[in-house]
Amino acid sequence: KQEVTQIPAALSVPEGENLVLNCSFTDSAIYNLQWFRQDPGKGLTSLLLIQSSQREQTSGRLNASLDKSSGRSTLYIAASQPGDSATYLCAVLAGDYKLSFGAGTTVTVRA
Amino acid sequence: NAGVTQTPKFQVLKTGQSMTLQCAQDMNHEYMSWYRQDPGMGLRLIHYSVGAGITDQGEVPNGYNVSRSTTEDFPLRLLSAAPSQTSVYFCASRKPPPNGQGVRRHSNQPQHFGDGTRLSIL
Repeated sequence: KQEVTQIPAALSVPEGENLVLNCSFTDSAIYNLQWFRQDPGKGLTSLLLIQSSQREQTSGRLNASLDKSSGRSTLYIAASQPGDSATYLCAVLAGDYKLSFGAGTTVTVRA
Repeated sequence: NAGVTQTPKFQVLKTGQSMTLQCAQDMNHEYMSWYRQDPGMGLRLIHYSVGAGITDQGEVPNGYNVSRSTTEDFPLRLLSAAPSQTSVYFCASRKPPPNGQGVRRHSNQPQHFGDGTRLSIL
């Protein structure tokens, strides 16, 4: 059974600092890894999707890396802003075509 | 541009009552699924469907039923509500994969989520 872990569970940084969010998974036989953003009381918004054959994906200030062999992904958010405050979830799609989620990292960016 | 629509947004039930959570998508996605989200536990898959007329169980299916009579709709039914089913429920869908690419066909299709239904069982 795929286990996905996100550490830390919560993170508070001053505005302008770079954010580093970690995700680890136990079974490296994945098709892709997705990073999602969830605002309080809202659904999940897909930020980045990294296919298993890729090493990283970038979108604006966001960069996500994938090391499938070691079961790790990192989401970097450059020059954080108060609007980046949210919960960030990672999820992996494995051989049974089902997504397995981590519990998330709740980020607070202080103005 | 509706995407994935869930109704209701909030619901309070008494133990033993039944109800149906509605989910509809207008993107012609074949793959649809239901998750529940509980504090500190991430999202857990309840049921999923790979197309009209086809459903299967996920990680936590007990106490829930689903059906998929059309591509657009994927309702989730609580048969006899229990306090343990208090949660936030999310419906999700994914674009049909391209044909002829074998197992790789799912690898580049992101999952789209609705805004959730917040359900409390008293």
